[in-house]
Amino acid sequence: EPEVTQTPSHQVTQMGQEVILRCVPISNHLYFYWYRQILGQKVEFLVSFYNNEISEKSEIFDDQFSVERPDGSNFTLKIRSTKLEDSAMYFCASRPDRTTLNEQYFGPGTRLTVT
Amino acid sequence: AQSVTQPDIHITVSEGASLELRCNYSYGATPYLFWYVQSPGQGLQLLLKYFSGDTLVQGIKGFEAEFKRSQSSFNLRKPSVHWSDAAEYFCAVGAHNYGQNFVFGPGTRLSVLP
Repeated sequence: EPEVTQTPSHQVTQMGQEVILRCVPISNHLYFYWYRQILGQKVEFLVSFYNNEISEKSEIFDDQFSVERPDGSNFTLKIRSTKLEDSAMYFCASRPDRTTLNEQYFGPGTRLTVT
Repeated sequence: AQSVTQPDIHITVSEGASLELRCNYSYGATPYLFWYVQSPGQGLQLLLKYFSGDTLVQGIKGFEAEFKRSQSSFNLRKPSVHWSDAAEYFCAVGAHNYGQNFVFGPGTRLSVLP
């Protein structure tokens, strides 16, 4: 069964460094998402992406964050200058298309630790 | 804006016992509702979803959920819990915009006693 994959599974970085989290959505999906889950807290929506542009974003998704689909398969989340509070599990998700109702398929997550 | 509450942070049940996990939502229109399960160190797996129609929906692993509009609830049930059901369970509401981005509840951690 096709699945969303994410790399790396765990990333450790120093405060102020840039990180790029990578996701490969399911191949025929068109809608992509990033969510984050701070340890012990709920999963929070960051951004959705469709047709090579941001569709919606939350207030968490400030200028430090950016997303990109650099090629036909990858979907990346970049944090320009990491802060301690960016430490969290980051989940990528994808959905088949824009017009029908269907669930999002989640990847296994990348645990980001900022020291 | 939509919101989701899961009143129970942690529930412990014995294996073979029945289970009900509560979920209440706040949304201005008919909600799109989901239950996801997260095993330790794993991603989020969809258990079941409700968009419209029959208010009792069946999911994987023997789970079911009932949508009750009058109570703004979407409680998850299982008649007989297995040890492998120990995990974190998240209820989510999907927005009606094109993005259908999710708002998740805080989660309920389920422990299963042998």
